[in-house]
Amino acid sequence: EAQVTQNPRYLITVTGKKLTVTCSQNMNHEYMSWYRQDPGLGLRQIYYSMNVEVTDKGDVPEGYKVSRKEKRNFPLILESPSPNQTSLYFCASSLTGGPSDTQYFGPGTRLTVL
Amino acid sequence: KNEVEQSPQNLTAQEGEFITINCSYSVGISALHWLQQHPGGGIVSLFMLSSGKKKHGRLIATINIQEKHSSLHITASHPRDSAVYICAPHGNQFYFGTGTSLTVIP
Repeated sequence: EAQVTQNPRYLITVTGKKLTVTCSQNMNHEYMSWYRQDPGLGLRQIYYSMNVEVTDKGDVPEGYKVSRKEKRNFPLILESPSPNQTSLYFCASSLTGGPSDTQYFGPGTRLTVL
Repeated sequence: KNEVEQSPQNLTAQEGEFITINCSYSVGISALHWLQQHPGGGIVSLFMLSSGKKKHGRLIATINIQEKHSSLHITASHPRDSAVYICAPHGNQFYFGTGTSLTVIP
């Protein structure tokens, strides 16, 4: 089954404790992206990757890191989480990132930073 | 600055009603996507439009590129249609509306 998986689905942590949210897709997609969703603000792009070893900042990259060492995986790293990073996070992938490509979303990770 | 405006923000309908959700955008785009987010949080893509009209079952989406406007219609609405519907135009990047929360009452 074609899918995007994320782990963990729920995470409560404390300020400053490094964490990683994993994302994996099994569709051989070149393009992967991370979004955060906050009430009243909609989805905002954090980072995206057009292919292996190619990553770029989205609209809200501060406080986040990503890597793309393999085509299928695109982890999101919070080196020193802060309460303003409490949010619902989605990983997504599409074939090439083109405007007509369907984006496939992961199930979401709800992060709370205390 | 909001590149994408959706209306209404919230909508409650009786089962069987015809529903329209509107999306206006200010950026130049190549395509527009409609997404559905269920109460559990998962997001799925419903439509991709670059012109005209598309229909999937009871859902119909239209776009007018010149007027920078798209609509999503649901015919014979059903409680299982209750979800947040998100408009996502794509130019050089994705832009996202804040969503329309639809509740269909039996």
